[in-house]
Amino acid sequence: KNEVEQSPQNLTAQEGEFITINCSYSVGISALHWLQQHPGGGIVSLFMLSSGKKKHGRLIATINIQEKHSSLHITASHPRDSAVYICAVRGVSNYQLIWGAGTKLIIKP
Amino acid sequence: EAGVVQSPRYKIIEKKQPVAFWCNPISGHNTLYWYRQNLGQGPELLIRYENEEAVDDSQLPKDRFSAERLKGVDSTLKIQPAELGDSAVYLCASSLFPGGNTEAFFGQGTRLTVV
Repeated sequence: KNEVEQSPQNLTAQEGEFITINCSYSVGISALHWLQQHPGGGIVSLFMLSSGKKKHGRLIATINIQEKHSSLHITASHPRDSAVYICAVRGVSNYQLIWGAGTKLIIKP
Repeated sequence: EAGVVQSPRYKIIEKKQPVAFWCNPISGHNTLYWYRQNLGQGPELLIRYENEEAVDDSQLPKDRFSAERLKGVDSTLKIQPAELGDSAVYLCASSLFPGGNTEAFFGQGTRLTVV
């Protein structure tokens, strides 16, 4: 079993829909990252969380430390949001990021 | 601020040839990471530097891969000789400190194709 599990693996939605991507992890963490990767492009850090909730524009990220679960939400989705969204956690005993497999999101106009 | 800069963006080489990637981290960032990302998978850490010291290279295939970070700033990652299985995106990232609450910033990556 992977230490970081994301769901769904693939998600296709219509423009304007509310999007939720989930991340569950099984290890103790010091922080959780949500990142975005466009095809052929580098990785952009969206959020870094250790508790609670963060909001940036149409993106919202939440984390529940007790349940070892985080969600990334996109409101009023747009085709330019199409990308792979990756959840990664940083362990408490080392500084290595443990990566989820990513969620490929396609927003159709 | 230019962010983390990597070059080249793309590289196609024949197997058994050498190849090198270059990374310029964000100014002032002490920690530098090299990752390899295979298609459809998350990045895999190859090596982590604290200043000029490689503090975690346990996942670097040392028979053919080497890295250096002279003067604790720019870094190069080299593969010699390259194999077909080395085709991947090589990502460089940097952060101010290595700790869990320090955000890492990523470069655009170098897409390597070995033919």
